[in-house]
Amino acid sequence: EMVMTQSPATLSVSPGERATLSCRASQSVNSNLAWYQQKPGQAPRLLIYGASTRATGIPARFSGSGSGTEFTLTISSLQSEDFAVYYCHQYNKWPRTFGQGTKVEIK
Amino acid sequence: EVQLVESGGGLVQPGRSLRLSCAASGFTFDDYAMHWVRQAPGKGLEWVSGISWNSGSIDYADSVKGRFTISRDNAKNSLYLQMNSLRAEDTALYYCARDLTPGDDAFDIWGQGTMVTVSS
Repeated sequence: EMVMTQSPATLSVSPGERATLSCRASQSVNSNLAWYQQKPGQAPRLLIYGASTRATGIPARFSGSGSGTEFTLTISSLQSEDFAVYYCHQYNKWPRTFGQGTKVEIK
Repeated sequence: EVQLVESGGGLVQPGRSLRLSCAASGFTFDDYAMHWVRQAPGKGLEWVSGISWNSGSIDYADSVKGRFTISRDNAKNSLYLQMNSLRAEDTALYYCARDLTPGDDAFDIWGQGTMVTVSS
């Protein structure tokens, strides 16, 4: 089973600052990597797929990069609505697997 | 409107069974693979099971293999999860989710979830 490891577990950032989240796969997932945002009491929302393609309606301040085993989600200038938990997800192979999440909190 | 609506959750005793359903609307259901993803209270996301558009490919997380069965009825635009021999650790909010495209892909559409509580 593919293990996805996210870091850090918690990221404290001030509004307007840049946030950089990491996700590492235990083996190559090519570019078959997605990022989701989840707020309390809500279902996850797809942000990025194909490692770097923004989903419909996602603001340009969200960007994804990487391939193989190392991936990054960058939020260029954090807005109040961006404080949430973020998950990476590999869909290169079944079983699909998620990272354990990174909580982005207000500093 | 593209929508997924889960149902069937509830309180169940350990060792008992429960069947979850997910009703799809607003898209051609039989074009897409579908999945169940769960989230224990205060925890992260865990992929549970997935099924291809024609039920030809099915897989499960190790944690549920042999106890859970995924199925779909394309004529009814519905996805199911039969959960047997339930354990306390199966307590979670269960989401159904759709692949973004007919191939293997990210999950672009999620339901709001149905809560399963396993407790005596």
